[in-house]
Amino acid sequence: DAGITQSPRYKITETGRQVTLMCHQTWSHSYMFWYRQDLGHGLRLIYYSAAADITDKGEVPDGYVVSRSKTENFPLTLESATRSQTSVYFCASSGRGLAGAGELFFGEGSRLTVL
Amino acid sequence: ELKVEQNPLFLSMQEGKNYTIYCNYSTTSDRLYWYRQDPGKSLESLFVLLSNGAVKQEGRLMASLDTKARLSTLHITAAVHDLSATYFCAVDMKETSGSRLTFGEGTQLTVNP
Repeated sequence: DAGITQSPRYKITETGRQVTLMCHQTWSHSYMFWYRQDLGHGLRLIYYSAAADITDKGEVPDGYVVSRSKTENFPLTLESATRSQTSVYFCASSGRGLAGAGELFFGEGSRLTVL
Repeated sequence: ELKVEQNPLFLSMQEGKNYTIYCNYSTTSDRLYWYRQDPGKSLESLFVLLSNGAVKQEGRLMASLDTKARLSTLHITAAVHDLSATYFCAVDMKETSGSRLTFGEGTQLTVNP
């Protein structure tokens, strides 16, 4: 089915480990985003991408790395996980062009716990 | 820095009552979005408001946008239990490089029988 899928849905890791969260969309949307959701903070933008090979920092990029070699994939890597990165991570995509972000379509979320 | 503020953050209401959630934002924008999130679930798009004076309605929910006041409202009419969820507004930051949405903290709505 068409849509946006994230994996893994649940992940427990230890401090200092590298973790990659995967995001795949089948709509050929140009824009893709990674948000984290924490109590008291709503959703905060980590990184976004306007197209393949174009990425930019959001509000809270420190400790995260992204890449976008293909339009449909936008993985998020925590190079050395910290407890403060325990969160629910949402990937989203949007079909609007460079004129402005349109309606976002969200994946189901990846719940990450860093021990 | 764009700030998006929702109030109230927590709302407990009885079935059959009406109420309004407010979303204020700090900079010029003419695009505003409302999302719903059920516990443990993803965010679902409710409304897309793309111009000053825009009004959208779906069932018991109605959203409006006043870009001059930098205010959007989500009005709930005759609430039912199924409307219990967290509601987020999000504003388009198009005047910055790139284009993305900034979200409010969310309003957690509980509708009691």
